[in-house]
Amino acid sequence: DGGITQSPKYLFRKEGQNVTLSCEQNLNHDAMYWYRQDPGQGLRLIYYSQIVNDFQKGDIAEGYSVSREKKESFPLTVTSAQKNPTAFYLCASSSNRNTEAFFGQGTRLTVV
Amino acid sequence: GENVEQHPSTLSVQEGDSAVIKCTYSDSASNYFPWYKQELGKGPQLIIDIRSNVGEKKDQRIAVTLNKTAKHFSLHITETQPEDSAVYFCAASGPGGSYIPTFGRGTSLIVHP
Repeated sequence: DGGITQSPKYLFRKEGQNVTLSCEQNLNHDAMYWYRQDPGQGLRLIYYSQIVNDFQKGDIAEGYSVSREKKESFPLTVTSAQKNPTAFYLCASSSNRNTEAFFGQGTRLTVV
Repeated sequence: GENVEQHPSTLSVQEGDSAVIKCTYSDSASNYFPWYKQELGKGPQLIIDIRSNVGEKKDQRIAVTLNKTAKHFSLHITETQPEDSAVYFCAASGPGGSYIPTFGRGTSLIVHP
């Protein structure tokens, strides 16, 4: 079945540690996105990539980094510079401009 | 950049009633307006979308209307059922924002049996 997979579903991080969230899609989509979801804040764009080996900062990129070495994969690293990383992270992909975005099931990151 | 406002933040209805969620957008160049439903602990899923060359679109109990002049669009759910309870997000995208969707803050819909 085609889809977009995020892992892990739950992630716990100690303060000062970097962690990487995985996002893989087998939909052959060019565009991939990372959103952060906090209660009452909606979906805020962290980074996006519209083609392999290229990515752009979104509205809240500080403290995060990404790579897009393969079309299928768009991992997000939450660095120690991110002061408030506890949130629900959603990865999405879309085939083309102005088309439906397909979301993964999300990763809930908690700093302990 | 694009700014999308969504209201209300919470909507409580009785089963069988209609529910309406409204969104406004700021960029007149935006031309694609999807609506997503997010169930607890899951990622959002598209339920209906509309493009700027259309004023209304229906799919069974759900419909979306678009007023380009006023820059607002609305989601209408008729004959609501408890399984409609979820968070609903509107979004807008177009050439002004590199076609990246900008989302509203979401509406938590609660349907009471």
